[in-house]
Amino acid sequence: EAQVTQNPRYLITVTGKKLTVTCSQNMNHEYMSWYRQDPGLGLRQIYYSMNVEVTDKGDVPEGYKVSRKEKRNFPLILESPSPNQTSLYFCASSLPGSPTEAFFGQGTRLTVV
Amino acid sequence: DAKTTQPTSMDCAEGRAANLPCNHSTISGNEYVYWYRQIHSQGPQYIIHGLKNNETNEMASLIITEDRKSSTLILPHATLRDTAVYYCIVRVGGGGQGAQKLVFGQGTRLTINP
Repeated sequence: EAQVTQNPRYLITVTGKKLTVTCSQNMNHEYMSWYRQDPGLGLRQIYYSMNVEVTDKGDVPEGYKVSRKEKRNFPLILESPSPNQTSLYFCASSLPGSPTEAFFGQGTRLTVV
Repeated sequence: DAKTTQPTSMDCAEGRAANLPCNHSTISGNEYVYWYRQIHSQGPQYIIHGLKNNETNEMASLIITEDRKSSTLILPHATLRDTAVYYCIVRVGGGGQGAQKLVFGQGTRLTINP
């Protein structure tokens, strides 16, 4: 089954404690991205990757890092989480070119206290 | 990317057709219209997309006006499970980040009533 898998689904952490949210897709997609969703602000893109070792900033990259060492994995790293990073996070993947549909993970609800 | 305008909320009776409008008056010739939906707080789900012609798949139909300035997503026989936020997104064609990035607005909150 084609899917994007995120882990963990729920996470409560403390300010400053480094964390990683993993994302894996089994569709051999080149393009992957991370979004965060906040009430009243909708979904906003954090980082994206066009292919292995090719990553770039989205609209709200501050406080986040990513890496793309393998095509299937695209982890989101919060080196020093802060309460304003409390949010619902989604990973997505798609084939290059257009038109193309994006596949989303089930989301990670992060709370930073 | 062209901006889209959707009603904030809509209601529909179960079993009836749900018609969700979207205005995209500044759409360019190479921009596609996509629809996604988000059920509760799950990941957004792709529904359908189109460029000029009307499109239909197992989930829905997409009607695009001849001038391409607006479109309507039709769920032919709405069920309670179709209650969700529906997003109309306009996106360029071709390759690159512009063709892949999704810019989500506030969407339409569709409630299907029994």
